[in-house]
Amino acid sequence: QSVLTQSPSASGTPGQMVTMSCSGSSSNIGTNYVYWYQQLPGTAPKLLIYKNNQRPSGVPDRFSGSKSGTSASLAVSGLRSEDEGDYYCAAWDNSLNGHYVFGTGTRVTVL
Amino acid sequence: QVQLQESGTRLVKFSETLSLTCSVSGASIRTYAWTWIRQSADKGLEWIGRLDYTGRDNYNPSLRSRVFMSLDLSDNKFSLKLHSVTAADTAIYYCARDRTVEGTDSWGHGILVTVSS
Repeated sequence: QSVLTQSPSASGTPGQMVTMSCSGSSSNIGTNYVYWYQQLPGTAPKLLIYKNNQRPSGVPDRFSGSKSGTSASLAVSGLRSEDEGDYYCAAWDNSLNGHYVFGTGTRVTVL
Repeated sequence: QVQLQESGTRLVKFSETLSLTCSVSGASIRTYAWTWIRQSADKGLEWIGRLDYTGRDNYNPSLRSRVFMSLDLSDNKFSLKLHSVTAADTAIYYCARDRTVEGTDSWGHGILVTVSS
C-alpha cells in the first residue's frame, strides 16, 4: 500500500486555484525531495515538479510545489479543463535499503 | 527526445514469470537509471525497482524476492522479470528513465499485463 497519503479529490472552476496535499514521514518527505506527477486520462504519468518545487522545461508556471516538514503540497492556479486528471506525489524512502514511494493520488475535476 | 516502448507477454499464467522489455531511443542507457513502475486500480502507482548502468539496483521491498532487472547495453534496452505471479500482479507496467534528483522524466506508454488462472 502507498506510504504517502494524498487528499482524494479536488475541484474548481476554470480560472480558480486548487491545492492538494501529500503527507509522509521522516523517512521519505521529511528527508528527501518530493516529486509530483500528472496523469491525464488514458496516458502515462508525466513529471510535473521535481526537487520539491522545480518545474521541468515545458511545464507552465501555473503549477507550483512546496514542502514543509513531512508534508508537501501542489497548487494549480488558473485552472484549465485540460488539467483534469490524477496527480501523484512521490519521494525516495530511506527505509528497507531505500525505495521510491508514490502517493495515493488526487483526482482533480474541473467543474 | 527520449522515447521508451514496452514489449512482452501480455497474458501470463498464474505462478509463471512475467517478462517485459523496454526499448530506449534518443538516449543511452549508459546514463542515469532505468525503472519499472506499475499501476493497478486497487494499488495505484507502485514502484517496482531501478537499475543503473553500473549495476546498482534498488527494489520495492514487497517485490524484491521476485524481481530481476537487467540492462542490454548493446541493444539499448532494459528488462524486467517478475517470478511466481498472481492475480495481484495484473497491472499496466511502465518503463521509465530515472534522472535521480531530477525525477522520473520520460515514460513509456505502458503495457497491460494480465495474470490468468
